[in-house]
Amino acid sequence: AQSVAQPEDQVNVAEGNPLTVKCTYSVSGNPYLFWYVQYPNRGLQFLLKYITGDNLVKGSYGFEAEFNKSQTSFHLKKPSALVSDSALYFCAVRDITSNTGFQKLVFGTGTRLLVSP
Amino acid sequence: EAGVTQFPSHSVIEKGQTVTLRCDPISGHDNLYWYRRVMGKEIKFLLHFVKESKQDESGMPNNRFLAERTGGTYSTLKVQPAELEDSGVYFCASSHATAGTIYFGEGSWLTVV
Repeated sequence: AQSVAQPEDQVNVAEGNPLTVKCTYSVSGNPYLFWYVQYPNRGLQFLLKYITGDNLVKGSYGFEAEFNKSQTSFHLKKPSALVSDSALYFCAVRDITSNTGFQKLVFGTGTRLLVSP
Repeated sequence: EAGVTQFPSHSVIEKGQTVTLRCDPISGHDNLYWYRRVMGKEIKFLLHFVKESKQDESGMPNNRFLAERTGGTYSTLKVQPAELEDSGVYFCASSHATAGTIYFGEGSWLTVV
């Protein structure tokens, strides 16, 4: 079964510093990986995805993620954090049912990012 | 273009009562999904509609949960009777293509007391 792990419950970073939110995956076949963000009292917003191609994927709000096959990782990064980036971040992997081709997402437990002024 | 919309945004009900959550997917999206996050745990898949047909309901926790999508447009998720452990956030999502990016709504926050 496809799965992702987010080893950190919370990440603290000062505004202006680079940030990294970690995600590792376990899949059979090619991984299709996603990052979503949930701002306080809001829904899930799509940030970026990796399907194939360049290992560095750029997404919304200045975020990017690096796909590393040898380390089975898909860490979310941003060169300079903003206080407004404080939110809950979820890594997810696509799980496709082999006989139907239909997809669903399998999520990690989430990482709370706290950016201090 | 409107995103996925959900109603109500918040609901507080007593144990044993019934709650019906509604989801309107992005226009033209045949694929509609329900997920939920309870007690600060991970977000878990509940079920998947393609138009009006249930394609996968393997994540539905028990028979107190009933999802419908009559006409292949909006969907409802009914919890009857609600239990304390049903408290959490229920997310609806939709995608255009079967393997397209899945877009989520704001969630319906359910509290059962």
